[in-house]
Amino acid sequence: GAVVSQHPSRVICKSGTSVKIECRSLDFQATTMFWYRQFPKQSLMLMATSNEGSKATYEQGVEKDKFLINHASLTLSTLTVTSAHPEDSSFYICSAPGQGNTEAFFGQGTRLTVV
Amino acid sequence: AQTVTQSQPEMSVQEAETVTLSCTYDTSENNYYLFWYKQPPSRQMILVIRQEAYKQQNATENRFSVNFQKAAKSFSLKISDSQLGDTAMYFCAFMPTRIIQGAQKLVFGQGTRLTINP
Repeated sequence: GAVVSQHPSRVICKSGTSVKIECRSLDFQATTMFWYRQFPKQSLMLMATSNEGSKATYEQGVEKDKFLINHASLTLSTLTVTSAHPEDSSFYICSAPGQGNTEAFFGQGTRLTVV
Repeated sequence: AQTVTQSQPEMSVQEAETVTLSCTYDTSENNYYLFWYKQPPSRQMILVIRQEAYKQQNATENRFSVNFQKAAKSFSLKISDSQLGDTAMYFCAFMPTRIIQGAQKLVFGQGTRLTINP
Protein backbone atom coordinates (compact mmCIF):
# COMPACT_ATOMS: atom_id res chain seq x y z
CA GLY A 1 0.00 0.00 0.00
CA ALA A 2 0.87 3.65 -0.17
CA VAL A 3 3.17 5.14 2.47
CA VAL A 4 2.62 8.30 4.46
CA SER A 5 5.57 9.45 6.53
CA GLN A 6 5.09 11.76 9.50
CA HIS A 7 7.85 13.50 11.43
CA PRO A 8 8.81 13.92 14.14
CA SER A 9 7.39 10.93 16.00
CA ARG A 10 7.92 12.62 19.34
CA VAL A 11 8.59 16.21 20.30
CA ILE A 12 8.84 18.07 23.56
CA CYS A 13 8.66 21.83 23.51
CA LYS A 14 8.38 24.67 25.96
CA SER A 15 5.21 26.67 26.47
CA GLY A 16 4.99 29.59 24.09
CA THR A 17 7.10 28.07 21.36
CA SER A 18 5.93 26.73 18.01
CA VAL A 19 6.24 23.20 16.70
CA LYS A 20 6.04 22.01 13.11
CA ILE A 21 4.90 18.53 12.15
CA GLU A 22 5.43 17.24 8.62
CA CYS A 23 3.35 14.75 6.70
CA ARG A 24 4.67 13.37 3.43
CA SER A 25 3.17 11.01 0.89
CA LEU A 26 6.18 9.01 -0.24
CA ASP A 27 5.04 7.19 -3.34
CA PHE A 28 1.92 8.99 -4.43
CA GLN A 29 0.57 12.50 -4.77
CA ALA A 30 -1.97 13.82 -2.32
CA THR A 31 -3.92 16.96 -3.14
CA THR A 32 -5.76 16.47 0.12
CA MET A 33 -4.46 15.45 3.52
CA PHE A 34 -6.22 15.23 6.84
CA TRP A 35 -4.97 16.15 10.30
CA TYR A 36 -6.35 14.40 13.38
CA ARG A 37 -5.86 14.79 17.08
CA GLN A 38 -6.20 11.87 19.44
CA PHE A 39 -6.46 12.12 23.22
CA PRO A 40 -5.53 9.10 25.34
CA LYS A 41 -7.95 6.21 25.00
CA GLN A 42 -10.15 8.21 22.66
CA SER A 43 -10.94 8.22 18.98
CA LEU A 44 -9.41 10.32 16.24
CA MET A 45 -10.86 13.79 15.99
CA LEU A 46 -10.57 15.49 12.61
CA MET A 47 -9.00 18.92 12.99
CA ALA A 48 -8.68 20.10 9.43
CA THR A 49 -8.45 19.20 5.78
CA SER A 50 -5.28 20.33 4.07
CA ASN A 51 -5.68 21.31 0.43
CA GLU A 52 -2.75 21.67 -1.94
CA GLY A 53 -2.66 25.16 -3.40
CA SER A 54 -5.47 26.56 -1.29
CA LYS A 55 -6.45 27.25 2.28
CA ALA A 56 -7.09 24.49 4.72
CA THR A 57 -10.61 23.73 5.86
CA TYR A 58 -10.93 23.62 9.62
CA GLU A 59 -13.48 21.70 11.63
CA GLN A 60 -15.74 23.58 13.99
CA GLY A 61 -14.02 24.55 17.19
CA VAL A 62 -10.47 24.26 15.86
CA GLU A 63 -8.50 27.50 16.06
CA LYS A 64 -7.02 28.15 12.64
CA ASP A 65 -4.57 30.73 13.99
CA LYS A 66 -3.23 28.26 16.48
CA PHE A 67 -3.00 25.24 14.19
CA LEU A 68 -1.47 26.54 10.97
CA ILE A 69 -1.64 24.20 8.02
CA ASN A 70 0.37 24.56 4.85
CA HIS A 71 0.08 22.19 1.93
CA ALA A 72 3.18 23.27 0.06
CA SER A 73 3.29 20.56 -2.58
CA LEU A 74 1.50 17.46 -3.77
CA THR A 75 3.50 15.37 -1.31
CA LEU A 76 3.88 17.56 1.76
CA SER A 77 1.53 19.04 4.33
CA THR A 78 2.68 20.67 7.56
CA LEU A 79 0.88 21.41 10.80
CA THR A 80 2.38 24.10 13.00
CA VAL A 81 1.18 24.39 16.55
CA THR A 82 1.82 28.02 17.43
CA SER A 83 2.36 29.41 20.93
CA ALA A 84 1.99 25.93 22.33
CA HIS A 85 0.43 25.37 25.74
CA PRO A 86 0.35 22.24 27.89
CA GLU A 87 -3.25 21.59 26.85
CA ASP A 88 -2.01 21.19 23.27
CA SER A 89 -0.15 18.09 24.37
CA SER A 90 -1.65 15.25 22.40
CA PHE A 91 -1.12 12.71 19.65
CA TYR A 92 -1.44 14.17 16.15
CA ILE A 93 -1.95 11.96 13.09
CA CYS A 94 -2.09 12.81 9.41
CA SER A 95 -3.64 10.81 6.61
CA ALA A 96 -3.97 10.97 2.87
CA PRO A 97 -6.55 9.34 0.63
CA GLY A 98 -5.22 6.75 -1.77
CA GLN A 99 -5.82 6.57 -5.47
CA GLY A 100 -9.50 6.42 -6.22
CA ASN A 101 -10.32 7.66 -2.72
CA THR A 102 -11.13 4.14 -1.59
CA GLU A 103 -9.14 4.22 1.61
CA ALA A 104 -6.90 6.39 3.75
CA PHE A 105 -3.23 5.94 4.58
CA PHE A 106 -1.96 7.16 7.89
CA GLY A 107 1.29 8.59 9.13
CA GLN A 108 2.95 7.16 12.20
CA GLY A 109 1.68 9.98 14.37
CA THR A 110 3.43 12.62 16.49
CA ARG A 111 3.31 12.68 20.25
CA LEU A 112 3.56 16.32 21.29
CA THR A 113 4.36 17.22 24.87
CA VAL A 114 4.34 20.86 25.90
CA VAL A 115 6.11 21.60 29.17
CA ALA B 1 -24.12 14.25 9.00
CA GLN B 2 -22.68 10.79 9.38
CA THR B 3 -22.15 9.15 12.74
CA VAL B 4 -20.45 5.93 13.71
CA THR B 5 -21.15 4.20 17.01
CA GLN B 6 -19.16 1.48 18.70
CA SER B 7 -21.01 0.43 21.82
CA GLN B 8 -18.31 -1.78 23.32
CA PRO B 9 -15.54 0.32 24.92
CA GLU B 10 -13.58 -2.77 25.96
CA MET B 11 -13.58 -6.48 25.22
CA SER B 12 -11.42 -9.32 26.38
CA VAL B 13 -11.18 -12.91 25.14
CA GLN B 14 -8.83 -15.85 25.42
CA GLU B 15 -6.35 -16.65 22.73
CA ALA B 16 -7.80 -18.79 19.90
CA GLU B 17 -11.35 -17.71 20.67
CA THR B 18 -13.60 -15.86 18.26
CA VAL B 19 -14.64 -12.32 19.04
CA THR B 20 -17.10 -9.96 17.37
CA LEU B 21 -16.86 -6.19 17.58
CA SER B 22 -20.01 -4.17 16.91
CA CYS B 23 -20.44 -1.05 14.86
CA THR B 24 -23.48 0.86 13.71
CA TYR B 25 -23.62 3.97 11.59
CA ASP B 26 -26.08 6.54 10.41
CA THR B 27 -26.05 8.16 7.01
CA SER B 28 -28.29 9.30 4.20
CA GLU B 29 -25.65 8.46 1.61
CA ASN B 30 -26.25 5.54 -0.74
CA ASN B 31 -22.66 4.89 -1.71
CA TYR B 32 -19.90 4.67 0.83
CA TYR B 33 -17.07 2.60 2.25
CA LEU B 34 -16.83 1.11 5.70
CA PHE B 35 -13.56 0.23 7.35
CA TRP B 36 -12.13 -1.41 10.40
CA TYR B 37 -8.80 0.01 11.51
CA LYS B 38 -6.52 -1.46 14.14
CA GLN B 39 -4.38 0.75 16.34
CA PRO B 40 -1.82 -1.27 18.32
CA PRO B 41 0.24 0.23 21.16
CA SER B 42 2.57 1.76 18.57
CA ARG B 43 -0.46 3.88 17.59
CA GLN B 44 0.08 3.29 13.88
CA MET B 45 -3.31 3.02 12.19
CA ILE B 46 -3.55 -0.25 10.24
CA LEU B 47 -6.34 -1.09 7.83
CA VAL B 48 -7.89 -4.42 8.78
CA ILE B 49 -10.72 -4.73 6.30
CA ARG B 50 -12.82 -2.66 3.92
CA GLN B 51 -16.38 -3.04 2.68
CA GLU B 52 -17.96 -1.27 -0.26
CA ALA B 53 -21.60 -0.53 0.43
CA TYR B 54 -22.82 -1.53 -2.99
CA LYS B 55 -21.36 -5.02 -2.58
CA GLN B 56 -23.66 -7.43 -0.82
CA GLN B 57 -20.96 -10.00 -0.19
CA ASN B 58 -19.27 -9.61 3.15
CA ALA B 59 -15.56 -8.82 2.98
CA THR B 60 -13.05 -11.28 4.43
CA GLU B 61 -9.32 -11.04 5.05
CA ASN B 62 -7.87 -14.25 6.44
CA ARG B 63 -9.06 -14.43 10.08
CA PHE B 64 -11.02 -11.22 9.79
CA SER B 65 -14.53 -11.00 8.36
CA VAL B 66 -17.41 -8.59 8.53
CA ASN B 67 -21.15 -8.90 8.82
CA PHE B 68 -22.47 -6.01 6.77
CA GLN B 69 -26.18 -5.34 7.14
CA LYS B 70 -26.89 -2.30 4.99
CA ALA B 71 -30.55 -1.92 5.87
CA ALA B 72 -29.78 -2.08 9.55
CA LYS B 73 -26.69 0.10 9.09
CA SER B 74 -24.61 -2.42 10.96
CA PHE B 75 -21.01 -3.40 10.29
CA SER B 76 -19.54 -5.87 12.78
CA LEU B 77 -16.04 -7.35 12.71
CA LYS B 78 -15.40 -10.99 13.53
CA ILE B 79 -11.92 -12.11 14.47
CA SER B 80 -11.47 -15.87 14.36
CA ASP B 81 -8.73 -17.81 16.11
CA SER B 82 -7.66 -14.65 17.94
CA GLN B 83 -3.96 -14.12 18.54
CA LEU B 84 -2.03 -12.13 21.12
CA GLY B 85 -0.99 -9.73 18.38
CA ASP B 86 -4.62 -8.82 17.81
CA THR B 87 -4.57 -6.86 21.06
CA ALA B 88 -5.24 -3.26 20.04
CA MET B 89 -7.80 -0.51 19.72
CA TYR B 90 -10.19 -1.15 16.86
CA PHE B 91 -11.96 1.67 15.10
CA CYS B 92 -14.91 1.40 12.78
CA ALA B 93 -14.95 4.13 10.14
CA PHE B 94 -17.22 5.45 7.41
CA MET B 95 -16.32 7.31 4.25
CA PRO B 96 -18.80 8.52 1.65
CA THR B 97 -17.84 8.12 -1.98
CA ARG B 98 -19.47 11.44 -2.75
CA ILE B 99 -17.18 14.40 -2.20
CA ILE B 100 -18.61 16.57 0.58
CA GLN B 101 -17.17 20.00 1.22
CA GLY B 102 -14.20 19.29 -1.00
CA ALA B 103 -13.05 16.05 0.54
CA GLN B 104 -14.06 12.53 1.41
CA LYS B 105 -13.58 12.44 5.13
CA LEU B 106 -13.33 9.43 7.36
CA VAL B 107 -15.72 9.43 10.30
CA PHE B 108 -14.56 7.25 13.17
CA GLY B 109 -16.38 5.45 15.92
CA GLN B 110 -15.30 5.76 19.53
CA GLY B 111 -13.18 2.63 19.37
CA THR B 112 -13.13 -0.73 21.14
CA ARG B 113 -10.14 -1.78 23.19
CA LEU B 114 -9.62 -5.48 22.54
CA THR B 115 -7.39 -7.57 24.75
CA ILE B 116 -6.42 -11.12 23.84
CA ASN B 117 -5.37 -13.06 26.93
CA PRO B 118 -2.90 -15.96 26.80
